[in-house]
Amino acid sequence: DTAVSQTPKYLVTQMGNDKSIKCEQNLGHDTMYWYKQDSKKFLKIMFSYNNKELIINETVPNRFSPKSPDKAHLNLHINSLELGDSAVYFCASSRLRGGDTEAFFGQGTRLTVV
Amino acid sequence: AQSVTQLGSHVSVSEGALVLLRCNYSSSVPPYLFWYVQYPNQGLQLLLKYTTGATLVKGINGFEAEFKKSETSFHLTKPSAHMSDAAEYFCAVRGQGAQKLVFGQGTRLTINP
Repeated sequence: DTAVSQTPKYLVTQMGNDKSIKCEQNLGHDTMYWYKQDSKKFLKIMFSYNNKELIINETVPNRFSPKSPDKAHLNLHINSLELGDSAVYFCASSRLRGGDTEAFFGQGTRLTVV
Repeated sequence: AQSVTQLGSHVSVSEGALVLLRCNYSSSVPPYLFWYVQYPNQGLQLLLKYTTGATLVKGINGFEAEFKKSETSFHLTKPSAHMSDAAEYFCAVRGQGAQKLVFGQGTRLTINP
């Protein structure tokens, strides 16, 4: 009964390819996120969706395109992959408002671009 | 806007010793504060959180943290370190009404036998 699950866990691909990472949550949360963790472990938000609507879009290259088909899913598509895209990508979910405000994270997808 | 500073990117303690990981935050609105732990090749797991009410909060695995508004701090402590505590620890802040968690840069905790 994984709360936030993302696939794949590992992704190795060549420069220039297009790839997708999928994320699903079964917590009934209304908000989902994508975070990027770089090689120094720094976590930075990329996108956030609330009820399928984009509410946060940080300074991210437009090669990255999130898609939320419903409240329980948030996928990340990356076009024309570059070496610098290598990182661990985390999906997370939370309630946007209310006392139950912590984010629950998936296990991460380690993307390696060669 | 919110920001978090974790003092010390690497902390090393002996098994059985006190663990103290420091976190200072900046927030223009009342904050929600969190500590997460990340074990190698794993996702982030919530240790504890402060939203409102009691300023001393207890979390899992014997950790606790105290919210000190006057010092804008939310330091994480554990009285006696265990080898299994070795991990990366992240402090995070979210302003009330804000839409995202902002993380500190993380502190790697090493436990010496």
